[in-house]
Amino acid sequence: AQSVTQLGSHVSVSEGALVLLRCNYSSSVPPYLFWYVQYPNQGLQLLLKYTSAATLVKGINGFEAEFKKSETSFHLTKPSAHMSDAAEYFCAVSSESGGYQKVTFGTGTKLQVIP
Amino acid sequence: GAGVSQSPRYKVTKRGQDVALRCDPISGHVSLYWYRQALGQGPEFLTYFNYEAQQDKSGLPNDRFSAERPEGSISTLTIQRTEQRDSAMYRCASRDSPVSGNTIYFGEGSWLTVV
Repeated sequence: AQSVTQLGSHVSVSEGALVLLRCNYSSSVPPYLFWYVQYPNQGLQLLLKYTSAATLVKGINGFEAEFKKSETSFHLTKPSAHMSDAAEYFCAVSSESGGYQKVTFGTGTKLQVIP
Repeated sequence: GAGVSQSPRYKVTKRGQDVALRCDPISGHVSLYWYRQALGQGPEFLTYFNYEAQQDKSGLPNDRFSAERPEGSISTLTIQRTEQRDSAMYRCASRDSPVSGNTIYFGEGSWLTVV
């Protein structure tokens, strides 16, 4: 079985401050890991993904995430928050189960950016 | 098409009515997923298709829910005798390969409200 835990359902940061959204995963096989973003009234958009190449993954809009196997973590960071980053962020784990890639999502973290 | 297309985008139905939600995946994508997302929650897996074969339906909450993909392309999620607890966003996603780390792409979802 696989699962994802996102610590903090709501995170507030000041504009220009560091963004850190936490994600820990559980998987019995080597996983693929994803971060998706959901802007209000829009669909889920892929931010970045880890597929066993480089452990530090860079995504769109200045976001990056580091895969740490020893900590089973895949935290999302951005050095300087922008107002447009306000959205809900979902971490997801994908691994082969029953002959296909089963994708499991966390419960999401809403990011608020304070001017 | 260019992306995953879902219809209707918004559906309000009376309790007890049947509803059908349609998903048109990205052309050529063999894998198709259905997820349900309640307010404040992450996407919850419902079912998975590999071409026309429903390979996993373990996430369907009860026998009022069913899904099909008869020609391996368009899929329909049907909810019979709807109940208020069925109100949620229903998301469809597709991917080009069933067993790789490739990205799954989401549609904009169908908002279902049961009154």
